[in-house]
Amino acid sequence: GAGVSQSPSNKVTEKGKDVELRCDPISGHTALYWYRQRLGQGLEFLIYFQGNSAPDKSGLPSDRFSAERTGESVSTLTIQRTQQEDSAVYLCASSKRTSGSDEQYFGPGTRLTVT
Amino acid sequence: QKEVEQDPGPLSVPEGAIVSLNCTYSNSAFQYFMWYRQYSRKGPELLMYTYSSGNKEDGRFTAQVDKSSKYISLFIRDSQPSDSATYLCAMSEFYRDDKIIFGKGTRLHILP
Repeated sequence: GAGVSQSPSNKVTEKGKDVELRCDPISGHTALYWYRQRLGQGLEFLIYFQGNSAPDKSGLPSDRFSAERTGESVSTLTIQRTQQEDSAVYLCASSKRTSGSDEQYFGPGTRLTVT
Repeated sequence: QKEVEQDPGPLSVPEGAIVSLNCTYSNSAFQYFMWYRQYSRKGPELLMYTYSSGNKEDGRFTAQVDKSSKYISLFIRDSQPSDSATYLCAMSEFYRDDKIIFGKGTRLHILP
């Protein structure tokens, strides 16, 4: 299909380990977003990439979190020295960012469990 | 006060009933309002979007925005068991880069 894909779908890691989550956006979508969704909570904005502009990192909760995106293609979200409070579903979304519509298309998410 | 408030539910209604889901917000600069539906273990999908105040209808779904009261609603007519999901309201100022603020979501169960 042509939707947003994320990998892995599930990740269990030990506290203190680093994890890398991947997002493949829809082809042609210039904007890419990462969100965190804790159990029973809304989506928490983490970071936003738009084309070749500097990313908006204002939602990253600590310096253990970082993300990269190469051009308008895949993005990776890295969490270093994971903590139990990092357990959540990490959602990626992409958007065309054309005027009049800002519809974000979401991937299925990566469910991260830190033990 | 959080920027967007949404009752988490769960809300259980019988099949065929009219469902009303609501959010309130505090930021008067929000102009762009959305409702997302999220099935279990799936990402959210955009259901409805509206710009500024007014109503928008799409099939069994109607979105209402009352900017004077900072209150938005989603109505589902003739509810079906397949409508059972979590519904998240979301909003943004739109003309600025670019965070969309989401509510916590309301879990809806349609009972057959």
